Formats: sequence, C-alpha cells, structure tokens
Amino acid sequence: DIRMTQSPASLSASLGETVNIECLASEDIYSDLAWYQQKPGKSPQLLIYNANSLQNGVPSRFSGSGSGTQYSLKINSLQSEDVATYFCQQYNNYTFGSGTKLEIK
Amino acid sequence: EVQLQQSGPELRRPGSSVKLSCKASGYSITDYLMHWVKHRPEHGLEWIGWIDPEDGETKYAQKFQSKATLTADTSSNTAYMQLSSLTSEDTATYFCASGDRRYFDYWGQGVMVTVSS
Repeated sequence: DIRMTQSPASLSASLGETVNIECLASEDIYSDLAWYQQKPGKSPQLLIYNANSLQNGVPSRFSGSGSGTQYSLKINSLQSEDVATYFCQQYNNYTFGSGTKLEIK
Repeated sequence: EVQLQQSGPELRRPGSSVKLSCKASGYSITDYLMHWVKHRPEHGLEWIGWIDPEDGETKYAQKFQSKATLTADTSSNTAYMQLSSLTSEDTATYFCASGDRRYFDYWGQGVMVTVSS
C-alpha cells in the first residue's frame, strides 16, 4: 500500500502569515491527492482535489501544488477560522496523512 | 444542501456487533458512492470501504473484509455499516462520506463506538 508521510504534525503561526503543509507519498501518485480541513468538533471538509483544484466555496487563500511523490497545501493570509487539523489523502487505496494541527500564535 | 446525518454513539460488549446508519439529505444516495472511514487518534484515519447504492457493489480495504458489511436502502436514502465480532480495537469514531472513486465530497458528523466489557 502507498504510505503518506505528512509534516509537520503541528504548526503555530500568526494571523496573516503564510503556512505550508507537506505530504510525501511512498511512490508516485500522479497528482491523485486531496486535502481536507477538520475544524474542532466538526466533520472534515474537502479543500483541494487532484492536488491543485480548489473545491467550490473554498477561499482562494488555500492552494495545493506538487507532483510525483511530493505535495503541499499552502494557506495564505492566515485567518483565525483556519484553526483546524489538515490532512491529505491519496486516491489509490485511500491512504491518509497523519494530520497537521494548525494553531494561531 | 447536502447533509449526512449519522446515528448516535454506541456502547457494545466485546464479541457483539453494531450497525451504524448514515442518512443522506439534499441528494440521492444513488448519485455517489458512500465511503466509511475509521478514526482513532493514535492511528489516524483508515478507509474501510465503499458501497455504490445504485447497484449494491462494494469494495473493502483488505483489513476490514471480514469486519465490516456495507449496505444501503435507497428508499430511505440511508447507508449502513455493520461491524461484527467487536474488540477493543474497534473503539473509534466512524465517519460516512459521500464521493466518487477518488475523494470524499461530504462527510457525516461521525459516530463514536466504544467496545468495553
């Protein structure tokens, strides 16, 4: 099975900052990757699919990039409502990253 | 508005089974696959399987082949997952999530299953 290694496990950043979250696949996943946001006490929400396509209704400060085995989620101009856990998921056998807990400094 | 409403928390004895429900609103469940995902804080998220409610086709992750059974009732727009021979390893939060064969568009709120004697 394809393994997804996500980093960092936790992240603290200031309002207005830009943050990056990484996912490394154990083999080439050909951009078959999605990113989700899970706010405290809420169910996960799809942010990005196909590595770089923004889901309808998701703010444009979120973006995804990458290819091959390396992918990243970028959040520009960090807002207080972005406090959440973020995780990646690859399509082949639906393996998830371990999650990144984002807090405001 | 698409919503997936899951049943309430469950407490079960080891060796018993439990059937979880996931009622969809705002769309017909036959339009998308219904996936189920297990979450334990120390193990992260694990995909269990999916069902295509239109024809009943199912696909399971290998480790859940003999643990989970997915069904759907199109008349009530509800998907179900039965977990059998429960052990402490099955204590977790379980999510239903609609989507296609790639990713998950909408998620239920999750249901906590506790297995304890």
